[in-house]
Amino acid sequence: GAGVSQSPSNKVTEKGKDVELRCDPISGHTALYWYRQSLGQGLEFLIYFQGNSAPDKSGLPSDRFSAERTGGSVSTLTIQRTQQEDSAVYLCASSELAGGPTDTQYFGPGTRLTVL
Amino acid sequence: AQKITQTQPGMFVQEKEAVTLDCTYDTSDPSYGLFWYKQPSSGEMIFLIYQGSYDQQNATEGRYSLNFQKARKSANLVISASQLGDSAMYFCAIQNFNKFYFGSGTKLNVKP
Repeated sequence: GAGVSQSPSNKVTEKGKDVELRCDPISGHTALYWYRQSLGQGLEFLIYFQGNSAPDKSGLPSDRFSAERTGGSVSTLTIQRTQQEDSAVYLCASSELAGGPTDTQYFGPGTRLTVL
Repeated sequence: AQKITQTQPGMFVQEKEAVTLDCTYDTSDPSYGLFWYKQPSSGEMIFLIYQGSYDQQNATEGRYSLNFQKARKSANLVISASQLGDSAMYFCAIQNFNKFYFGSGTKLNVKP
């Protein structure tokens, strides 16, 4: 079946502008995660959605970052008033979360954000 | 708090040889999952192998196996018969209460 998709694949923006990044998870996956990966670094957790529960926003670096998940499927990560330090690859992952190996996350190809 | 440590920032291995990538973790929770991912230069994160904390046997998936030593809190990845296509970053991750924590990664270079 189709994997996790993300759009756009690349985004170049000017400092101070707002950007929206989109993630389409695997159909039927109830959990959705956003991560940020700076060049040569590991993955930094941003936010996690699970079904209809309130999202875990504990990883969002500032109030300029927000995310929504509509209808339990598509998610949008919004960064307001972008700064140069926001430049990174933003990865989305989804998971079935039914226990054990089904907790495996499957990642999208990422959105490379460059803030000039 | 959960913590994942990968102490090898970079490693070299000769093609067709086996290589072990180290991963240790710190958690006080009895139930957790351990995962290894591969990230080639193209950037995608590819799931390799899973080990549950209550699994009695070490996980294996083709050329990948996980050397799980629960008492030592280590979950090393063993790649047998290395191939040039194995050159990539490798990340270890622990999952607990539906959150994932990733290590800083190990860059593996396979030499012909």
